[in-house]
Amino acid sequence: AQSVAQPEDQVNVAEGNPLTVKCTYSVSGNPYLFWYVQYPNRGLQFLLKYITGDNLVKGSYGFEAEFNKSQTSFHLKKPSALVSDSALYFCAVRTAYNQGGKLIFGQGTELSVKP
Amino acid sequence: DTEVTQTPKHLVMGMTNKKSLKCEQHMGHRAMYWYKQKAKKPPELMFVYSYEKLSINESVPSRFSPECPNSSLLNLHLHALQPEDSALYLCASSQDPGSSEKLFFGSGTQLSVL
Repeated sequence: AQSVAQPEDQVNVAEGNPLTVKCTYSVSGNPYLFWYVQYPNRGLQFLLKYITGDNLVKGSYGFEAEFNKSQTSFHLKKPSALVSDSALYFCAVRTAYNQGGKLIFGQGTELSVKP
Repeated sequence: DTEVTQTPKHLVMGMTNKKSLKCEQHMGHRAMYWYKQKAKKPPELMFVYSYEKLSINESVPSRFSPECPNSSLLNLHLHALQPEDSALYLCASSQDPGSSEKLFFGSGTQLSVL
C-alpha cells in the first residue's frame, strides 16, 4: 500500500535559522513527490515536486527538497526561516500505478517560526 | 489566470436543506477534484473528474452529488447532510489527470451543518 509519513506534528524554528520538515514515503514503483503549504483559512498551495532527474529540487519561496531513494525520504528545507513561513505543510506522493493517479497526503506538519 | 475560484466561502445549512458548492477555473485544466478537509488534517479525496467525466468516486455518501457541466465548472450538490459533514470543502484542478501534474487548489468553502 502507498503511504506517506510526516513524523513531526509540529516544528518550531527561530527566524533566520534553517528549517527542515521531514517526509518519508512507501510506494510501489517510481514515486512522484510533492510538497504543499496551507496558510490559515486557505487552500493548499504547491511548493515543489520531484518527478525524475536531479535529486535536489528547488521550489517557491526559497524552499527546496532532496529526494533520497535509499532512505525513501523527501525532506523539505529552507536555509533561513521567515515568520511568514509559519503554516501547515503537507508532503504527498503519487505513482503512475495509483488508481487514477490519486494523491496520497501525509498527516501534515505545523511549522511555527518565531521572531 | 491561475486561480481556482470557489463560492460561497462560507455556508451554514440545516440537515434538511439543499445547497450547492461551485468551483471554476479558466486555466484549460482537464482534471478537477473535490476534497474534504477537517481542521489540521490532510485533505481527503472525494471525487475526480477527468475530461468532464467522473473517474473516481471515493465511496462518498449519496448525499453528496458532483456535477461537471463543462470543462471550467465543477459543482457539488448537498442534500440531507449530517453535522459530521461540517468541514472545509476544497476544489482543485490539474492540467490533466496524469500522476506528475501539480494540483491548483481553491480557497475552499467552510461548511457548517446544524
